[in-house]
Amino acid sequence: DAMVIQNPRYQVTQFGKPVTLSCSQTLNHNVMYWYQQKSSQAPKLLFHYYDKDFNNEADTPDNFQSRRPNTSFCFLDIRSPGLGDAAMYLCATSSDRGSGYEQYFGPGTRLTVT
Amino acid sequence: GDSVTQMEGPVTLSEEAFLTINCTYTATGYPSLFWYVQYPGEGLQLLLKATKADDKGSNKGFEATYRKETTSFHLEKGSVQVSDSAVYFCALVNSGGSNYKLTFGKGTLLTVNP
Repeated sequence: DAMVIQNPRYQVTQFGKPVTLSCSQTLNHNVMYWYQQKSSQAPKLLFHYYDKDFNNEADTPDNFQSRRPNTSFCFLDIRSPGLGDAAMYLCATSSDRGSGYEQYFGPGTRLTVT
Repeated sequence: GDSVTQMEGPVTLSEEAFLTINCTYTATGYPSLFWYVQYPGEGLQLLLKATKADDKGSNKGFEATYRKETTSFHLEKGSVQVSDSAVYFCALVNSGGSNYKLTFGKGTLLTVNP
């Protein structure tokens, strides 16, 4: 089945220690997104890639960066995690070649900062 | 800008009760509308969608109709089950714009008791 995969599902890192979360997709979608979600609040968009073009949200801290080496993979790098960065991180994909522009989400990575 | 307002929870129902979760939106252009469901510890799953006025989205016994005249997309189910307990998010994509970002409501926590 075509899907969005996130690894790891659970990640523990230390305060200030860089961490990378990964996302891959088999849907061949051209748009990929990273969201941060806290405590069953609505997901908050951090940035997205439209093809190779990176689009950062205005309020995304500089501490968060992303890489998309190819269509299938996208990474979220947190350079110096703080306690406030503990959250669920969701990757999503969509295509501008279909109708409706719905997004398909991965299962998420739960990040704990100690 | 675009916005989504949905019924605040939590909502608690008994099994086999009728469910309505209200959702209204504000958007320019012609948005596509979605309901996403999030089970505990999981990512968001697309539950149903509607891409134009008077479309009815349906899935797993859930239904919602795109009402342009009332700018609404209320979620309904005739008989809920314990397994429907989750957080439900109403969302839109404004395909008339130059991006494909989801605008979410705040989410409604549904608990169904046996």
